[in-house]
Amino acid sequence: DAGVIQSPRHEVTEMGQEVTLRCKPISGHNSLFWYRQTMMRGLELLIYFNNNVPIDDSGMPEDRFSAKMPNASFSTLKIQPSEPRDSAVYFCASSTRDTYGYTFGSGTRLTVV
Amino acid sequence: DAKTTQPTSMDCAEGRAANLPCNHSTISGNEYVYWYRQIHSQGPQYIIHGLKNNETNEMASLIITEDRKSSTLILPHATLRDTAVYYCIVRAFASGGSYIPTFGRGTSLIVHP
Repeated sequence: DAGVIQSPRHEVTEMGQEVTLRCKPISGHNSLFWYRQTMMRGLELLIYFNNNVPIDDSGMPEDRFSAKMPNASFSTLKIQPSEPRDSAVYFCASSTRDTYGYTFGSGTRLTVV
Repeated sequence: DAKTTQPTSMDCAEGRAANLPCNHSTISGNEYVYWYRQIHSQGPQYIIHGLKNNETNEMASLIITEDRKSSTLILPHATLRDTAVYYCIVRAFASGGSYIPTFGRGTSLIVHP
């Protein structure tokens, strides 16, 4: 099992540009989560999906952020337009109700200049 | 969810047991205690969880007090690779069988030679 796969590992973009982060969950996992980590705020839950359906997006900071899960094996987190304060490490995680632990990806380090 | 309190940092000598405490005095009857750790630049990694009884797996042991108001994660023979931030999380299972871990600041454990 390759685990949760995130791409890209690093992204540097200019303010105002659109950024798309990608995640492939573990096959068979029916829940997917997007987190953001900064030094100031720690790990924050942005949104999570159950069976490809968004359940709770209350953690999404503002309308510039959007997330989709078109099928069970793929999800995207999009920021448009990006701002310097969006600079952070973004983690994707997946789980199944039959297991108790989450599996996190290696994260995408986003830098907006 | 019950709030957890952990020391900000701890250190331990290599080869010795690392005992990481967590207070969760407001825990309710159906809430589990979970532990995750995050090694620098990686995503959080599930370690262990428990409800009432002590638990052990290949990574660690979890000791939960009888009143369930606190717990201790034990790494029996700490190695330099155990240097990480350790998160204690308390969460009930949602009706759909999933839980959403909310991460605090955790304990930064440094294992020294």
